[in-house]
Amino acid sequence: DAGVTQSPTHLIKTRGQQVTLRCSPKSGHDTVSWYQQALGQGPQFIFQYYEEEERQRGNFPDRFSGHQFPNYSSELNVNALLLGDSALYLCASSLRVSRRQRNTEAFFGQGTRLTVV
Amino acid sequence: AQSVTQLDSHVSVSEGTPVLLRCNYSSSYSPSLFWYVQHPNKGLQLLLKYTSAATLVKGINGFEAEFKKSETSFHLTKPSAHMSDAAEYFCVVSDPNTGNQFYFGTGTSLTVIP
Repeated sequence: DAGVTQSPTHLIKTRGQQVTLRCSPKSGHDTVSWYQQALGQGPQFIFQYYEEEERQRGNFPDRFSGHQFPNYSSELNVNALLLGDSALYLCASSLRVSRRQRNTEAFFGQGTRLTVV
Repeated sequence: AQSVTQLDSHVSVSEGTPVLLRCNYSSSYSPSLFWYVQHPNKGLQLLLKYTSAATLVKGINGFEAEFKKSETSFHLTKPSAHMSDAAEYFCVVSDPNTGNQFYFGTGTSLTVIP
């Protein structure tokens, strides 16, 4: 089992550019969530995808968008990059549970380190 | 609304002594709680989880945590610290009403002194 894989591992972009980050979830998982972790901070929830649709969204602007493919893999897109977008972007995969069930844990990838200059 | 407060940003212990990392949570529902560890330049690894079963939860590498509803706490402990325990630790809360959305604390950096 390869676990959660993210690509690329590191990326340097110029302010104003656009970036796409990719994530393959753990085998058997159908839900992908994205988090932004600024230096010295805890991860902040960006959004979650299930059945190829965005299901929940954190407090992030529309410059942040995503996609989920039929094989459950996902992309995170950020447009008009700002210096403040520099962070570690983490993908988490999990198995969707109903509201009556308890949450299962999420498995995280090693992240993509994005630097905006 | 869900939130987590990690009471110490840095904890330093000597090798072989006990570890205590403190976490308080706020949740409008019976929460699920987790502790994750992050080693430098690595992803997040699950240490343990509480999902309304036994209140004392045992995890990997000798860590355990106790869910105390009356105190809204979920402190992480280990009887004897090892050098390899040095890392960043995150307390996380979620609840079924928000699917698998996690709310992270700001983290506690653990230093182990030889």
